[in-house]
Amino acid sequence: AQTVTQSQPEMSVQEAETVTLSCTYDTSESDYYLFWYKQPPSRQMILVIRQEAYKQQNATENRFSVNFQKAAKSFSLKISDSQLGDAAMYFCAYRSNDMRFGAGTRLTVKP
Amino acid sequence: KAGVTQTPRYLIKTRGQQVTLSCSPISGHRSVSWYQQTPGQGLQFLFEYFSETQRNKGNFPGRFSGRQFSNSRSEMNVSTLELGDSALYLCASSKGQRTYEQYFGPGTRLTVT
Repeated sequence: AQTVTQSQPEMSVQEAETVTLSCTYDTSESDYYLFWYKQPPSRQMILVIRQEAYKQQNATENRFSVNFQKAAKSFSLKISDSQLGDAAMYFCAYRSNDMRFGAGTRLTVKP
Repeated sequence: KAGVTQTPRYLIKTRGQQVTLSCSPISGHRSVSWYQQTPGQGLQFLFEYFSETQRNKGNFPGRFSGRQFSNSRSEMNVSTLELGDSALYLCASSKGQRTYEQYFGPGTRLTVT
């Protein structure tokens, strides 16, 4: 079974600084997709970024970028120039036949 | 384009009762997945429907069931409710299976007393 591990239950970053959230996954498949989702307090889950496993180039969406290391089965999310609105739970997710989520990392942004 | 909608948003039920939750996907999306989110277990996959057929199922008891209609709207049903079924139930839709990202609804908060 595929598992997704987020080893950092909580992270904190100063406004305007950079933070990296870690994610590792376990799979025997070669074709899959990875995602980072953001869930603000009492609000809807939002897709942040997506990475196809067959692509070597790391995905980037404005201030959000990933470091995808397929051999190491690692998929970290970097948030640059952190803003107060980035405070949320961040979930790493793996999708092949179904979607599996990590336990989440709660990100706090300090003004 | 309207997002994923879920009804009702909040629900209080008693142990032993049954409940039906509804999800309307984004227009044009044919796949609907359901998740249970709790503080202790996190996000757990319940099942996925595509073109009215259940394509995948998570590790939940048979009390949890679902269906999808021809307009892609989906319902999930939980029978004989238990206290442990209290959770946020999230619905997510996508254009198709596997390769597509999912878009989530706001969830239905179910409390079982």
